[in-house]
Amino acid sequence: EVQLVESGGGLVQPGRSLRLSCAASGFTFDDYAMHWVRQAPGKGLEWVSGISWNSGSIGYADSVKGRFTISRDNAKNSLYLQMNSLRAEDTALYYCAKGATLISGSYYGAIDYWGQGTLVTVSS
Amino acid sequence: DIQMTQSPSSLSASVGDRVTITCQASQDISNYLNWYQQKPGKAPKLLIYDASNLETGVPSRFSGSGSGTDFTFTISSLQPEDIATYYCQQYDNLVTFGPGTKVDIK
Repeated sequence: EVQLVESGGGLVQPGRSLRLSCAASGFTFDDYAMHWVRQAPGKGLEWVSGISWNSGSIGYADSVKGRFTISRDNAKNSLYLQMNSLRAEDTALYYCAKGATLISGSYYGAIDYWGQGTLVTVSS
Repeated sequence: DIQMTQSPSSLSASVGDRVTITCQASQDISNYLNWYQQKPGKAPKLLIYDASNLETGVPSRFSGSGSGTDFTFTISSLQPEDIATYYCQQYDNLVTFGPGTKVDIK
């Protein structure tokens, strides 16, 4: 059974940093792209970032480019999101999600499994 | 950047009704379009990938069609458990979700 468990969320002041982690199990982690997708309270889904299986292809939404960094450690079956210079508008539930395509050269494609999310609140 | 629009933003229909949601991309995205269902308090679920392919285990009353800039998602016979918000998602250039369509029972 595929499991994605996010951690690292919490309350943080504007301008500060936070690092999210995602522990993956139930599938061969280094065969698939991974994503971070967020959802502000009462709002729709917003893709944040994606990373290919070998970290060779990485993309970011314009809203986070230059502030957030996605990374993965295939030896630890883990995905990370380093979030710097946080803003109030980054407040959201952050989902770790698995790409559906086996060993694709990019992170593009469908997302077939999602974690339950970790809540990030940016407020003074 | 590719922008996605969906219509309607919300709809109410009766059990058994045929429900149709449209999704439009700001530029040609071929068939690089997926559809998701999100129930309140839950993570999204993939229903349709590559515009028209039904994800394994998803009921056949769900279907998708389209290519280029215009796409359609259909529930052939609405069931009470289909109450949810539905999102389209493109992956031709980066990844973008549509704003969502909330589906209720009348």
